[in-house]
Amino acid sequence: GAGVSQSPSNKVTEKGKDVELRCDPISGHTALYWYRQSLGQGLEFLIYFQGNSAPDKSGLPSDRFSAERTGGSVSTLTIQRTQQEDSAVYLCASSFSGDTEAFFGQGTRLTVV
Amino acid sequence: GNSVTQMEGPVTLSEEAFLTINCTYTATGYPSLFWYVQYPGEGLQLLLKATKADDKGSNKGFEATYRKETTSFHLEKGSVQVSDSAVYFCALSLKTGNQFYFGTGTSLTVIP
Repeated sequence: GAGVSQSPSNKVTEKGKDVELRCDPISGHTALYWYRQSLGQGLEFLIYFQGNSAPDKSGLPSDRFSAERTGGSVSTLTIQRTQQEDSAVYLCASSFSGDTEAFFGQGTRLTVV
Repeated sequence: GNSVTQMEGPVTLSEEAFLTINCTYTATGYPSLFWYVQYPGEGLQLLLKATKADDKGSNKGFEATYRKETTSFHLEKGSVQVSDSAVYFCALSLKTGNQFYFGTGTSLTVIP
């Protein structure tokens, strides 16, 4: 597609369940980012992938969060044993390289009840 | 470290007023600077960018100049419209870096 695609657009889950969020970056973009945006807050960096290099996981808030990127393209963010404080909009972005502008998807709104 | 500080909001202006949203940064290298905009119910969109000192980014009547001496990248528009109502984020990235550093966002409401 022409832009970054995220799915699902909305997800409601029960506390304690696992969720998977998907991101399809723009074709040819080597860099992929995950951010979290809580209500009324700024953007919190989660994880960064660049080509075949080891990802920068320094922003992941706990070991319940993990992400992978298969074949240098699609990425999945997994949250295990979800908690209410995980409720937020999860944003994915991609860029042609690590220092050019990033293009964002529409986000996945996660609600943990 | 690397960080972005931007003007607290919310900001409310009348249509055709002049807009300035201040943004200053701290960076360990030579960053590229960006302004992103988030319209209600939508994702973040790139508004403008500047990649080196004294560059001016511009788009849709908005401008920002990369000022290395004051480490600033203030966003300006001469005459705002109701359709400019959105949240504006200042951000930086480093050529050797691994993430974009965002400010906390400034909410702008333009009233007719």
